[in-house]
Amino acid sequence: DAKTTQPPSMDCAEGRAANLPCNHSTISGNEYVYWYRQIHSQGPQYIIHGLKNNETNEMASLIITEDRKSSTLILPHATLRDTAVYYCIVDANNNAGNMLTFGGGTRLMVKP
Amino acid sequence: DTGVSQDPRHKITKRGQNVTFRCDPISEHNRLYWYRQTLGQGPEFLTYFQNEAQLEKSRLLSDRFSAERPKGSFSTLEIQRTEQGDSAMYLCASSLAWIGGYTFGSGTRLTVV
Repeated sequence: DAKTTQPPSMDCAEGRAANLPCNHSTISGNEYVYWYRQIHSQGPQYIIHGLKNNETNEMASLIITEDRKSSTLILPHATLRDTAVYYCIVDANNNAGNMLTFGGGTRLMVKP
Repeated sequence: DTGVSQDPRHKITKRGQNVTFRCDPISEHNRLYWYRQTLGQGPEFLTYFQNEAQLEKSRLLSDRFSAERPKGSFSTLEIQRTEQGDSAMYLCASSLAWIGGYTFGSGTRLTVV
């Protein structure tokens, strides 16, 4: 069972920030929050992950609430190429195999 | 290294035939995963290897499915006596143990007619 809840779809205007929410109210202390995205007809692409601190890389920022029950992925300046399905996943980053469980994700549509 | 490679990209087969897919992971990655994805759904875990050892198999992996990673490098996924319900995208991913983030291949799209 997926441990996260995401809105099924969102729209964003090109050039604006895209803020994708994720609820993970049953997250355990050793579980990380991962974000992947999947562009049509391609395999999923890793974006970012974090435990409790906010994280930023060249693709996105990840904001995790203090109680860790929810997070937001931020694409600061969305482009048409960011149109994809975005998956939020929680998993323990340990030696147990890390079999990621994907839910339905959020289909982000970036519009001109 | 150009990432995770999967071959073929597309496969159309008749029901009852056997098919085999190949995955070449990133060379230094010791973990390799197989996932299946049907239209409109997220990927579902099938099995994973650490080096040559197959450490976990999903209940989705019926007796008709078998996966190997003989030398801890490339892997094959075979489906025997294919059924129409096997039609899906089969995704391979690799990673380093302890380090977050998989790298996925582009997948093999199987159509059983």
